[in-house]
Amino acid sequence: QVQLVESGGGLVKPGGSLRLSCAASGFTFSDYYMSWIRQAPGKGLEWVSYISSSGSTIYYADSVKGRFTISRDNAKNSLYLQMNSLRAEDTAVYYCARVDAARTAFDIWGQGTMVTVSS
Amino acid sequence: QSALTQPASVSGSPGQSITISCTGTSSDVGGYNYVSWYQQHPGKAPKLMIYEVSNRPSGVSNRFSGSKSGNTASLTISGLQAEDEADYYCSSYTSSSPHVFGTGTKVTVL
Repeated sequence: QVQLVESGGGLVKPGGSLRLSCAASGFTFSDYYMSWIRQAPGKGLEWVSYISSSGSTIYYADSVKGRFTISRDNAKNSLYLQMNSLRAEDTAVYYCARVDAARTAFDIWGQGTMVTVSS
Repeated sequence: QSALTQPASVSGSPGQSITISCTGTSSDVGGYNYVSWYQQHPGKAPKLMIYEVSNRPSGVSNRFSGSKSGNTASLTISGLQAEDEADYYCSSYTSSSPHVFGTGTKVTVL
């Protein structure tokens, strides 16, 4: 079945780095735009980043621009988020999500991976 | 890009209908028919309920419907059921970034 599985979350100190991965299965990964979305504890959803099917078009939220890098490997059906210069306010569950074919909504979500930034 | 505005909470009795609003600007909700709605139960990932203002994905109950007027989109849940108790988020395409989410609404079934 169509599935997204995130990994790589954990506890990291402020200023540290972490790389999240998202393994896709059950669909042609290379046909879809993908996105990372996060949710701080007890808070709402925040869109983080977005990458086109080929990887040639990328967008970031202002809150992570210059610190986070989204990438993908279509041969490995995988999406990544390299997070540098982490701050306490980056603490959140990070979801990988598929952007639908019309590129207007997020139609498949992973279960999320928790990132905690704390000393 | 500021978050879209939703009421913090909405409640209703089983069988009733409730409506959740999502207010933005002409640069997001009002400018595009690309509003989507997500349902999130505690500890779970969000689930797409409505896309492009009023379309339901396969498998989503027809008790869920969406609409838009000007800069405000709405999600209506009819025949409210206990399983509908969850958080609901709207999202819209924007002129300045691909997507923005709403502040979220907690739906309580009395």
